[in-house]
Amino acid sequence: GDSVTQMEGPVTLSEEAFLTINCTYTATGYPSLFWYVQYPGEGLQLLLKATKADDKGSNKGFEATYRKETTSFHLEKGSVQVSDSAVYFCALTNQAGTALIFGKGTTLSVSS
Amino acid sequence: DAGVTQSPTHLIKTRGQHVTLRCSPISGHKSVSWYQQVLGQGPQFIFQYYEKEERGRGNFPDRFSARQFPNYSSELNVNALLLGDSALYLCASSQQSGTHNEQFFGPGTRLTVL
Repeated sequence: GDSVTQMEGPVTLSEEAFLTINCTYTATGYPSLFWYVQYPGEGLQLLLKATKADDKGSNKGFEATYRKETTSFHLEKGSVQVSDSAVYFCALTNQAGTALIFGKGTTLSVSS
Repeated sequence: DAGVTQSPTHLIKTRGQHVTLRCSPISGHKSVSWYQQVLGQGPQFIFQYYEKEERGRGNFPDRFSARQFPNYSSELNVNALLLGDSALYLCASSQQSGTHNEQFFGPGTRLTVL
């Protein structure tokens, strides 16, 4: 079945460091891909999305490119801030479009 | 505009009891989905409703049920609660059902089963 695999965390970085969180997927058809962020004690917020191959999603300095050939959607940011500390989830839509399938999440901790 | 709202915020129940969780979607959104997030894991899909009809169901036992009302709000019901049902229950709304429809999440209801 459809699935998402994210790199294990936690990821610990200093402020202004470069961030990469790896995400690969297995899916039938052509899913949409998403990155969601969850701050402590809160629900999920959509960070960015891509709906077809080679699309690049971007928001708040974060970017991810839909790579069909490598079935990947890695999240990157050139310079992280303390306020970026959160749990990041990679997700895809199932073939019916009725559900999001999430990875296990990657915890990012940024120190000043 | 208000986002997705859920009630209650927190809930404590004992094993064997029943619980009802409520969700109000963003105005104009006709689809509501429910997810269970166990601590330290990603959310798991439970149900999706669109125009008051069930459009999708995840791998959850029949103890879990849901419905959507004419105003598009939704309830999630869980019977015969087990300790393993302790989780954050998230509701998400979207304008329609389908692959490219962005889902907006509420803050969740934290259920603790003792």
